[in-house]
Amino acid sequence: AQTVTQSQPEMSVQEAETVTLSCTYDTSENNYYLFWYKQPPSRQMILVIRQEAYKQQNATENRFSVNFQKAAKSFSLKISDSQLGDTAMYFCAFMDLRGGGSNYKLTFGKGTLLTVNP
Amino acid sequence: GAVVSQHPSRVICKSGTSVKIECRSLDFQATTMFWYRQFPKQSLMLMATSNEGSKATYEQGVEKDKFLINHASLTLSTLTVTSAHPEDSSFYICSAPRGGGGYEQYFGPGTRLTVT
Repeated sequence: AQTVTQSQPEMSVQEAETVTLSCTYDTSENNYYLFWYKQPPSRQMILVIRQEAYKQQNATENRFSVNFQKAAKSFSLKISDSQLGDTAMYFCAFMDLRGGGSNYKLTFGKGTLLTVNP
Repeated sequence: GAVVSQHPSRVICKSGTSVKIECRSLDFQATTMFWYRQFPKQSLMLMATSNEGSKATYEQGVEKDKFLINHASLTLSTLTVTSAHPEDSSFYICSAPRGGGGYEQYFGPGTRLTVT
């Protein structure tokens, strides 16, 4: 079974600074997706960024970027120019594509609570 | 973006009663939906996969008879907590993949269940 590990239960950063959240995963598969989801105090899960394992290029979405190291099974999230609205729980998630389109199961890490301070 | 709704957002019920939670995909069809449970300050735990037209697939350790799932149509899945007990109090979240190869899942806003 796949496992996702987030070793930082809590982190804080000053507004406008950069912060990196860590995530490692364990799998024997070669075809998978990785995601970062954000859960603000409203508890609505919001997709931040995704990475296809077959792509070598790191995904970026505006202020959010990832450092995907497939051999090391590492998938960190970098948030640049942190904003107060970035305060949330961040979950790293793994999706095994073996089951094809009908099996979109996500395995989540335990999460990192990020606080952006003014 | 795709929208998934849940109803109710909050529910309080008495111990021993049953409560139904609905999950709807509002602007796309979903043959598969997922139900998660989340305890305070913890991660999402997958409970079951809801399949339109067939039985749900439950994760190990999840009681099928307590958490009844029905995928009534391509846009609606329901989770019924039967004979609820205080330990069933939790935050329940559903999600649905839109498909089309993007593999992205869209999450409902969640339902807070309190059993008194």
